[in-house]
Amino acid sequence: NAGVTQTPKFRVLKTGQSMTLLCAQDMNHEYMYWYRQDPGMGLRLIHYSVGEGTTAKGEVPDGYNVSRLKKQNFLLGLESAAPSQTSVYFCASVNPDRVNTEAFFGQGTRLTVV
Amino acid sequence: DQQVKQNSPSLSVQEGRISILNCDYTNSMFDYFLWYKKYPAEGPTFLISISSIKDKNEDGRFTVFLNKSAKHLSLHIVPSQPGDSAVYFCAAVPGGSYIPTFGRGTSLIVHP
Repeated sequence: NAGVTQTPKFRVLKTGQSMTLLCAQDMNHEYMYWYRQDPGMGLRLIHYSVGEGTTAKGEVPDGYNVSRLKKQNFLLGLESAAPSQTSVYFCASVNPDRVNTEAFFGQGTRLTVV
Repeated sequence: DQQVKQNSPSLSVQEGRISILNCDYTNSMFDYFLWYKKYPAEGPTFLISISSIKDKNEDGRFTVFLNKSAKHLSLHIVPSQPGDSAVYFCAAVPGGSYIPTFGRGTSLIVHP
């Protein structure tokens, strides 16, 4: 039972390069999220999806795009990376129909933009 | 403007004593609250939750208290253990839409 898996775990990008972070969950969860964690800033929501084919903006969406073509996968794209996007990125998923439910997180992707 | 606030960035406690982590919120639409624990280089893991219809929820050494009128919740860890040393995030979810908002976290250090 893998839960939520993020790839890659680490990446160094040059300014202006693009990349895609992949999140995969095997729990048949409807909702998926991308958060970024920065020192002293906690977890901030970038984008989220409430089901296959849907996406919505969170608190800090600028510079990112997402896609949810399959229910189990949620992709986060950086079209032109900037040093301000250096962060640790976490994906999470949840099935909100259950009572007393909680979101499950992946192990994180540490991204450095130089 | 933070809707979920953890005003103490860090807390140091001796092993065996009580740890109390606090969280305040401003949005009255929040009706479900969670605490997550995060070790370095790992993702956050769920610890305990509480619904707005309750004022207390207990799970072993962990108890969460909710004071709706004050828009305040707290996590009590008794007794604290060195393995509890981690960053603790408070999260709040509004009714009708499961979009968690997180606080900035409190780093707990439990000294042997």
